[in-house]
Amino acid sequence: KQEVTQIPAALSVPEGENLVLNCSFTDSAIYNLQWFRQDPGKGLTSLLLIQSSQREQTSGRLNASLDKSSGRSTLYIAASQPGDSATYLCAVLYSSASKIIFGSGTRLSIRP
Amino acid sequence: DAGVIQSPRHEVTEMGQEVTLRCKPISGHNSLFWYRQTMMRGLELLIYFNNNVPIDDSGMPEDRFSAKMPNASFSTLKIQPSEPRDSAVYFCASTLANPNSPLHFGNGTRLTVT
Repeated sequence: KQEVTQIPAALSVPEGENLVLNCSFTDSAIYNLQWFRQDPGKGLTSLLLIQSSQREQTSGRLNASLDKSSGRSTLYIAASQPGDSATYLCAVLYSSASKIIFGSGTRLSIRP
Repeated sequence: DAGVIQSPRHEVTEMGQEVTLRCKPISGHNSLFWYRQTMMRGLELLIYFNNNVPIDDSGMPEDRFSAKMPNASFSTLKIQPSEPRDSAVYFCASTLANPNSPLHFGNGTRLTVT
């Protein structure tokens, strides 16, 4: 079964810290992996997309890595700010079924 | 670009009533997805379309749910009859059908069935 798992479900850190969010997937045959941000009551906003052939992508203070062999991706947030507080979800586009499957998300809280 | 547009933003209805949710994808996108989000089950894929054709509807929970995409700029998700357990936020998302294209979400429709 093609699944996507995110641990922990919730994370609280003080402002200014660097942090890492984790995502794991069960099948290495993927087209891409995306990281999204969701604010309360809102839709999901795409942050980064890593293609199957890539190892990482960067946007500002965000860096996402992809290791297909181990079925893992990380989202690194540098110098965290209270405005980074949101739920972060990863999603995998599996090759076999062309489905985009989401993890359950990590709810991040940055304490001022 | 106006993004993915969903309507209504909120819908409150009584059990047994028909509910229709609407979605306008981003112009030029040829893949459209309907998701349902709840606290208990997270984000679940209900159905997706490529070039207006339903590709996989295995996530549609019951025959009470149906989805259509009559043209490239419009899709509907219908629930008939609705039940309280259908209460959730329903999202529509669109993308180009290639691995380089990110998925774009609408703001969702919050459905409450009493």
